[in-house]
Amino acid sequence: DAGVIQSPRHEVTEMGQEVTLRCKPISGHDYLFWYRQTMMRGLELLIYFNNNVPIDDSGMPEDRFSAKMPNASFSTLKIQPSEPRDSAVYFCASSLLAGATGELFFGEGSRLTVL
Amino acid sequence: GESVGLHLPTLSVQEGDNSIINCAYSNSASDYFIWYKQESGKGPQFIIDIRSNMDKRQGQRVTVLLNKTVKHLSLQIAATQPGDSAVYFCAEYYRPNTDKLIFGTGTRLQVFP
Repeated sequence: DAGVIQSPRHEVTEMGQEVTLRCKPISGHDYLFWYRQTMMRGLELLIYFNNNVPIDDSGMPEDRFSAKMPNASFSTLKIQPSEPRDSAVYFCASSLLAGATGELFFGEGSRLTVL
Repeated sequence: GESVGLHLPTLSVQEGDNSIINCAYSNSASDYFIWYKQESGKGPQFIIDIRSNMDKRQGQRVTVLLNKTVKHLSLQIAATQPGDSAVYFCAEYYRPNTDKLIFGTGTRLQVFP
């Protein structure tokens, strides 16, 4: 049974370029979360969706970041333009009931390096 | 998915010993807590959870203790094994928003033979 699938696993890009990270949640899960992990700030919640609708985007660092969920099986996190300080590992996670059951299932992450 | 590195508190234990990992949480209104394990190069993985109406919950080789008075959680791992080496995070559902899961900074557990 496939878990949360993220792509790409690794991306190296130059400052100013657009970056798009992709996530396929576990089928049937109504919640999708985007987290960012860095040495300095740990795991930060960027945004989460419920039934494809963004519920809380207060963790999105600035307007350069945007996230969409056009359907129940796909989400994107876009950074435009990218900056070196965006270098991090970005995780997508999905959950059936989130706060009711607790368990978030994480993907393997997308490691982004902005030069 | 490399975990937070150099600035993490580290707990070193010998194989077979018991491990205790501690966590202080921030929000007194939080009522649901989860421990996650993150191995190098992977995403966090659920270990065990506890709700605020309990002060102890046991799983297989793991026990979570909750002290709401001092806002403290601990994760106890019995008979620690090399495969337990990882970074461990406590996380809280951040009331009043029940679906916002906030992670702590993490503790690195190193198990020596």
